[in-house]
Amino acid sequence: EAQVTQNPRYLITVTGKKLTVTCSQNMNHEYMSWYRQDPGLGLRQIYYSMNVEVTDKGDVPEGYKVSRKEKRNFPLILESPSPNQTSLYFCATQGAGNTIYFGEGSWLTVV
Amino acid sequence: AQSVTQLGSHVSVSEGALVLLRCNYSSSVPPYLFWYVQYPNQGLQLLLKYTSAATLVKGINGFEAEFKKSETSFHLTKPSAHMSDAAEYFCAVSEGTSYDKVIFGPGTSLSVIP
Repeated sequence: EAQVTQNPRYLITVTGKKLTVTCSQNMNHEYMSWYRQDPGLGLRQIYYSMNVEVTDKGDVPEGYKVSRKEKRNFPLILESPSPNQTSLYFCATQGAGNTIYFGEGSWLTVV
Repeated sequence: AQSVTQLGSHVSVSEGALVLLRCNYSSSVPPYLFWYVQYPNQGLQLLLKYTSAATLVKGINGFEAEFKKSETSFHLTKPSAHMSDAAEYFCAVSEGTSYDKVIFGPGTSLSVIP
């Protein structure tokens, strides 16, 4: 079954404590991205990667890092989380024709 | 630059009534257009997609959308609402080339009243 798997699904952390949200896909897609979803703002792209070792900023990259060392994995790193990064995060792949396949989402709360 | 607007952040319909969710887009080139649905505590899944073939696009769960270039619209409809249709719906647009950035609208929350 085609899947995008992200972990953890739910996380409460404290300001400044580094965290990583993992993402893995089995669809062999080259294009992967991270989005955050906030009420009234829809989905906003944080970072994207069009291939291994190639990453680029999306619309809201501040406070986030990513890496793409292998095709299937695309972790999102928050080096020093702040409360304004409390959000619902989605990892996604994008296939030909621009159809996006989303993970189940990760609820992150920073206190 | 592309953009998407969705009229109405919340829409309520009675079970069995027509569902109409509005989406207008702006794009300087022929677009790809999408509707995604998000059920509670789940990720988004594709409902339907327009890629310059037939202007009336049929999707899953009885939904369809019509591309109207003159109105720059891509409204989502379903003839008869079901309780299971209660969800958040997102319209999205990209340029008509593969791997182009996809821009999402703010979403419309659909409630279905029994």
